[in-house]
Amino acid sequence: SAVISQKPSRDICQRGTSLTIQCQVDSQVTMMFWYRQQPGQSLTLIATANQGSEATYESGFVIDKFPISRPNLTFSTLTVSNMSPEDSSIYLCSVAFGLFSYEQYFGPGTRLTVT
Amino acid sequence: EDKVVQSPLSLVVHEGDTVTLNCSYEVTNFRSLLWYKQEKKAPTFLFMLTSSGIEKKSGRLSSILDKKELSSILNITATQTGDSAIYLCAVEAGTASKLTFGTGTRLQVTL
Repeated sequence: SAVISQKPSRDICQRGTSLTIQCQVDSQVTMMFWYRQQPGQSLTLIATANQGSEATYESGFVIDKFPISRPNLTFSTLTVSNMSPEDSSIYLCSVAFGLFSYEQYFGPGTRLTVT
Repeated sequence: EDKVVQSPLSLVVHEGDTVTLNCSYEVTNFRSLLWYKQEKKAPTFLFMLTSSGIEKKSGRLSSILDKKELSSILNITATQTGDSAIYLCAVEAGTASKLTFGTGTRLQVTL
């Protein structure tokens, strides 16, 4: 496994603004992912962060709303743009090390509240 | 669309009891099934299962996959209050390691 950190751990933001969440891993990883967990719900995959290229988004998520960067093998950012109260969630990054079958490990999460 | 269903949704037991949590799935191109424990924000990895019938064990926790029945169980013996958490089942299917999560089972262990 690895040590995964996320910043910020929580934030309260006003609607219409944007927030960038950072995910840092202490070792190189094969894959990095971003998930959302809305209140009382399970985790939903937003996108796979690809190193050096555009992220791969899941159905219902678009780059304009959730731009993602992954400049290297240990770091990624997720931006939540033009926020509304419906974006209030826990945002989690996860990482995987394998080539063919993956155990995914999660960062500590960012609790976002939009007012 | 891939689907993962967990049961029960919630469970209250007394310390020392044994519990069995269930996970069933309908996915295309199954690769693995993972169990996580979520206490606050971050899910903590418990087990990854790929082969049917082989039990994975860690202390008081164990899990087994039944590919024929498209299901898995997570057993916790001699439960403790520290086992209180949401237990999440996720299935990896298709390509690119996409995980589909179930809604979780909320376990509360009381004294």
